Amino acid sequence: GENVEQHPSTLSVQEGDSAVIKCTYSDSASNYFPWYKQELGKGPQLIIDIRSNVGEKKDQRIAVTLNKTAKHFSLHITETQPEDSAVYFCAAVEGSGGYQKVTFGTGTKLQVIP
Amino acid sequence: DTGVSQNPRHKITKRGQNVTFRCDPISEHNRLYWYRQTLGQGPEFLTYFQNEAQLEKSRLLSDRFSAERPKGSFSTLEIQRTEQGDSAMYLCASSFDRFNQPQHFGDGTRLSIL
Repeated sequence: GENVEQHPSTLSVQEGDSAVIKCTYSDSASNYFPWYKQELGKGPQLIIDIRSNVGEKKDQRIAVTLNKTAKHFSLHITETQPEDSAVYFCAAVEGSGGYQKVTFGTGTKLQVIP
Repeated sequence: DTGVSQNPRHKITKRGQNVTFRCDPISEHNRLYWYRQTLGQGPEFLTYFQNEAQLEKSRLLSDRFSAERPKGSFSTLEIQRTEQGDSAMYLCASSFDRFNQPQHFGDGTRLSIL
């Protein structure tokens, strides 16, 4: 089955700096890669996603890159703000139209220091 | 609020008791998923519904666990004879019935077994 590794497990940055979180996956059948932000006491919230036919996607201060050959993908947050502090999860999804199996990474706790 | 709704938000019960959780997905979503999340980990898949049909079950879903989605709308997850190891956050997610659609999560039910 799919295995998703996520690094680092914790990350502290100064407000205004950039943060980068990296994930690797093992199954080449995975073709969709969402990223979730989870705040304390809440469920994961989708922040950005990328499909396997795209190498990069950007949404304001958030960008995601995908390297299918190397089987890794990364989340980049620029100009970090205190409200970006949360746990971030990457995920790899495999499925051709029916059930879509989602495998999550172990999470990165991001702390943005004002 | 048209997001995924879960009730109750918290449940404290004694070992050996039965508990039931409810999930109301986003109304247009045919697919519904249940996950379990323990502290410091990403969500782990439990089971999946396409409309009212339960199409996938994880090996994590022991015979003490049962899930239903009787009319293809809301779903319930029941745990019988709860054990200490059942303490976790139980998350529900829903998505459109199309290829590579993101799953939208509720805020979960936190179960504590005394």
